[in-house]
Amino acid sequence: NAGVTQTPKFRVLKTGQSMTLLCAQDMNHEYMYWYRQDPGMGLRLIHYSVGEGTTAKGEVPDGYNVSRLKKQNFLLGLESAAPSQTSVYFCASGQNGPLNTEAFFGQGTRLTVV
Amino acid sequence: EDKVVQSPLSLVVHEGDTVTLNCSYEVTNFRSLLWYKQEKKAPTFLFMLTSSGIEKKSGRLSSILDKKELFSILNITATQTGDSAVYLCASPNFGNEKLTFGTGTRLTIIP
Repeated sequence: NAGVTQTPKFRVLKTGQSMTLLCAQDMNHEYMYWYRQDPGMGLRLIHYSVGEGTTAKGEVPDGYNVSRLKKQNFLLGLESAAPSQTSVYFCASGQNGPLNTEAFFGQGTRLTVV
Repeated sequence: EDKVVQSPLSLVVHEGDTVTLNCSYEVTNFRSLLWYKQEKKAPTFLFMLTSSGIEKKSGRLSSILDKKELFSILNITATQTGDSAVYLCASPNFGNEKLTFGTGTRLTIIP
């Protein structure tokens, strides 16, 4: 069982470069989330989606965009990377929101912006 | 804005000790509280609590929710080095579906 798969696992970007992180889930979940995790800050919600074709802002959305064109995929884009976006990024998915089931996490993407 | 606060931020104990981790919350449209364990990579699910006063138990781990006082505790008895991890709690907002996490408690078990 693949569960939630994130690609890439590691990436180094130069300031100003762009990139897209891909999250794919094979559990037919409606809800998907992107978080960033920084030391001492816990998991902070960037954007999330409650179904195919929908997206919503989380706690720290600035500098990021997302798309949910297919139910199984949730893409996180950085249009012009900044050093402040150096972080570990986690994607998660859940069925009927986290209200009925727990959120399942991908293994994370470690992004460094230099 | 929804808020989930965990304490302590870090805890160091000896193997065999019992620990209690705390999680308080202020979440609009509260429905449940979730506990996760995070070792080196992705958080893994431990418990979901929806009702006050009903303990959930899994081996040496147990958790309970108090919806009147807006907090939950996670107990670990007879701790082992494999319990060393960051423990996270989270709560979803039933209205806007955001899932808010606390900053976590880093637990270190000394052999």
